[in-house]
Amino acid sequence: DTEVTQTPKHLVMGMTNKKSLKCEQHMGHRAMYWYKQKAKKPPELMFVYSYEKLSINESVPSRFSPECPNSSLLNLHLHALQPEDSALYLCASSQAGVFADTQYFGPGTRLTVL
Amino acid sequence: KQEVTQIPAALSVPEGENLVLNCSFTDSAIYNLQWFRQDPGKGLTSLLLIQSSQREQTSGRLNASLDKSSGRSTLYIAASQPGDSATYLCAVDQPGRRALTFGSGTRLQVQP
Repeated sequence: DTEVTQTPKHLVMGMTNKKSLKCEQHMGHRAMYWYKQKAKKPPELMFVYSYEKLSINESVPSRFSPECPNSSLLNLHLHALQPEDSALYLCASSQAGVFADTQYFGPGTRLTVL
Repeated sequence: KQEVTQIPAALSVPEGENLVLNCSFTDSAIYNLQWFRQDPGKGLTSLLLIQSSQREQTSGRLNASLDKSSGRSTLYIAASQPGDSATYLCAVDQPGRRALTFGSGTRLQVQP
C-alpha cells in the first residue's frame, strides 16, 4: 500500500471559521509533510514532522497549526484564514532517516477561503 | 538557497514524438532528485528518483539522467502518448533539509 489519503477533497470556509485537514498513511513512514500549492505554481513546503516531532516550520503564519497525533496521522488546523490562503494543500510522507527516499503525495485538499 | 529551474515552461508535441524535459539546480549538494507528474487539480505522482550517486534511472518509456556536478537533470519520454499530457515537476532533496525544493514545472500537451 503506497497510498496517502487526504480528507476532505474540497473545503470552503469563511474567514472566521475553524476547520481541519487530515492526512493518513499506513506505509510505516516516520516523516510527514505539508505543502501548499497555488495555481500554476510548484508546491511550497510548510511543515515537516519527523518521528511525530515538528522538525521544520517554514515561517508559516500561526493561523495554520499542524499536529501529528501518531505516526500515521497528520492534521492541519485552520483558523482565521485569509482569501489568499486559498490553495491546494498537499500532504506527503517518506521514510525518515533514509537519505534517498521517495516522497509519496496524497491527492490534496482544495481549500477556498471566502 | 537552492533554486530549481525547468525548461521549457510549456511544450506541445504530436503523438509519437520523443521529447526531453530539462531541470537545473543551483546547489549541487543534493541527496536525490525526483521527477513527478501532476494532472490538473490533482496530487503528485512520483515517476523516478535518482540518488546523488546515480547517473540515470529508467521506468518504462521514461528515462531520467542526473549530472550532479553541473546541476542538471533531464527526463526523456519516448514515443509520447496523449495520456502523457500533464505537468512534470522536478524536485531536489538536500542534506539537513528533509523536504523537497521544486521547480516550476513543464506543462506537456501531447496532441493525438
